[in-house]
Amino acid sequence: DAGVIQSPRHEVTEMGQEVTLRCKPISGHNSLFWYRQTMMRGLELLIYFNNNVPIDDSGMPEDRFSAKMPNASFSTLKIQPSEPRDSAVYFCASSLDPTRRGLDTEAFFGQGTRLTVV
Amino acid sequence: QKEVEQNSGPLSVPEGAIASLNCTYSDRVSQSFFWYRQYSGKSPELIMSIYSNGDKEDGRFTAQLNKASQYVSLLIRDSQPSDSATYLCAVNGGFQKLVFGTGTRLLVSP
Repeated sequence: DAGVIQSPRHEVTEMGQEVTLRCKPISGHNSLFWYRQTMMRGLELLIYFNNNVPIDDSGMPEDRFSAKMPNASFSTLKIQPSEPRDSAVYFCASSLDPTRRGLDTEAFFGQGTRLTVV
Repeated sequence: QKEVEQNSGPLSVPEGAIASLNCTYSDRVSQSFFWYRQYSGKSPELIMSIYSNGDKEDGRFTAQLNKASQYVSLLIRDSQPSDSATYLCAVNGGFQKLVFGTGTRLLVSP
């Protein structure tokens, strides 16, 4: 298995531009998570999906952020317009639903996208 | 109050010593607890999971859980320089919502 695949690995954009981050979860996993990591705030959960449905988006910082999961093998996180304070590493992770694996909620992370907004 | 708290460190130990990493959480209904290791510039990788009170051992790693005290710890025996990384504690906050602490940086000196 190739693991969770994210693209791009690095993104540098100008303030005000739209940024789209992409994620392909591990095949067979039906939960997908978007996290943001900064030195100051650590790893923050932005949104997660179960069976392609958004379950909790309370971590999305503001309306400039949106996420979609049109099918089981693809998700996007979009920032429009981007701001310098959005600079961070964005991770996508996937896991199996606990109803199929009991309490086990092991999440497997992609390599991340390092976003720099100048 | 943060949901999951860890000392940011760095925790410095000599090679061969036992490293003890601690984590407290605020949500009493949490059921699942995880330790992730993150090397600089890399993604978090799962190293231990624990669901019941007590100890769970896997090689040089031992996870300890005390639900009454809302406390999780990770012991690393015979610490190696390659163990130098940031260790993230994660708690299942319900409905698969994993909440992470800010991590403890461990430095193992040769």
